[in-house]
Amino acid sequence: QLQLQESGPGLVKPSETLSLTCSVSGGSISISTYYWAWIRQSPGKGLEWIGSLHHRGSTYYNPSLKSRVSISVDTSNNQLSLRLRSVTAADTALYYCARVRINDYAVDYWGQGTPVTVSS
Amino acid sequence: QVVLTQSPSASASLGASVKLTCTLTSGHNSYAIAWHQQLPEKGPRYLMKVTSDGSHSKGDGIPDRFSGSSSGAERYLTISSLQSEDEADYYCQTWGTGVQVIFGGGTKLTVL
Repeated sequence: QLQLQESGPGLVKPSETLSLTCSVSGGSISISTYYWAWIRQSPGKGLEWIGSLHHRGSTYYNPSLKSRVSISVDTSNNQLSLRLRSVTAADTALYYCARVRINDYAVDYWGQGTPVTVSS
Repeated sequence: QVVLTQSPSASASLGASVKLTCTLTSGHNSYAIAWHQQLPEKGPRYLMKVTSDGSHSKGDGIPDRFSGSSSGAERYLTISSLQSEDEADYYCQTWGTGVQVIFGGGTKLTVL
């Protein structure tokens, strides 16, 4: 059974960089038929796609976040990473990693999410 | 760009059926969507994909009580024999340009 587990600091100061890791188990992050994505949910709000990556290196970002975000992959450790620069209180959210099928773009597996608060 | 519209809330009685709707913007009637369930204080879970011809393919372990269908620009999630544990937020999801992942605003389902 595929499992995705997010980890990282729960508290980040304004203007600093948020860094999260997603560890994938029960399957390989290097399978070509999937993208890997970061998605967030602000308190009491809906779901917002941050960006996606293919293990061969292609990345795709939400235009509203593109100038501040980078997603990378460590295939040897089966991990996905997120960096979001110059954070503000508006970046406070639950951050999820997820798997996306290339053939129909359905998100078919989710992590349980990790909370991040931006505050001084 | 495609936009997905969902009613903010729905309710139905224990043991009854409920049909949730996700509407695609004009010109995107051919798009498939995915339905996701988010239980209180939990991460989302993939339920199924629903295509424009109404066929659906469910994720692992999704009960038969959950089914999908389509009509024009609308995609539906039907839950029959409602149980208290079905009380959750339900999101539809599709894709946009540049492999963007797009979500509807979600429907909060209350089981009465």
